[in-house]
Amino acid sequence: QSVLTQPPSVSGAPGQRVTISCTGGSSNIGAGYDVHWYQQLPGTAPKLLIYGNSNRPSGVPDRFSGSKSGTSASLAITGLQAEDEADYYCQSYDTGLSGVVFGGGTKLTVL
Amino acid sequence: EVQLVESGGGLVQPGGSLRLSCVASGFTFSSYNMNWVRQAPGKGLEWVSYISGSSSTTYYADSVKGRFTISRDNAKNSRYLQMNSLRAEDTAVYYCARAYTGSSWPDAFDIWGQGTMVTVSS
Repeated sequence: QSVLTQPPSVSGAPGQRVTISCTGGSSNIGAGYDVHWYQQLPGTAPKLLIYGNSNRPSGVPDRFSGSKSGTSASLAITGLQAEDEADYYCQSYDTGLSGVVFGGGTKLTVL
Repeated sequence: EVQLVESGGGLVQPGGSLRLSCVASGFTFSSYNMNWVRQAPGKGLEWVSYISGSSSTTYYADSVKGRFTISRDNAKNSRYLQMNSLRAEDTAVYYCARAYTGSSWPDAFDIWGQGTMVTVSS
């Protein structure tokens, strides 16, 4: 059971917009800790997609955006492409666990 | 090219030990905090351990505290994870990951190695 809760799966057709939620609590996201997002393609290492809630590292398309409010965060992907099919993870810090925590991951399927 | 390369994984019996290595290239290794993150087969990501650039500060997940030890050798651009008293539930791909800002904690992880597989089984 992950401290950060993500939907197990989401799907969308090419060109559509999808969002992935990441719900935490008062000891992590709600305590003000940043949320980061990763994309993991099958058989590869995770790739940083969003850092500090809403910032994109260089090279990440602006189709990817992040937001945070209260005890939750969201990753939005617009103009969905077949290459976006992957697992997505959110990450934050938890004061109760005194460590970095990840969401359980969300599998994005492009229909 | 900025790169992290892990090694040292393999098959080990329950209760055994293993030492993982992570060699960095393409950046000033001593300026960056580093982490280990693992992923059990078919499962999600789990943070394991952190070490500061100066090696003065280390943190561990509760699941490995007292059994795993993280260290680094800045002269060799290397970071290590000594794993003792291994259990079946430690079976995973172990990734080394660089802290994005270098000196902050907590931080995002911007550079990841390819991972090394650890299998704990009799």
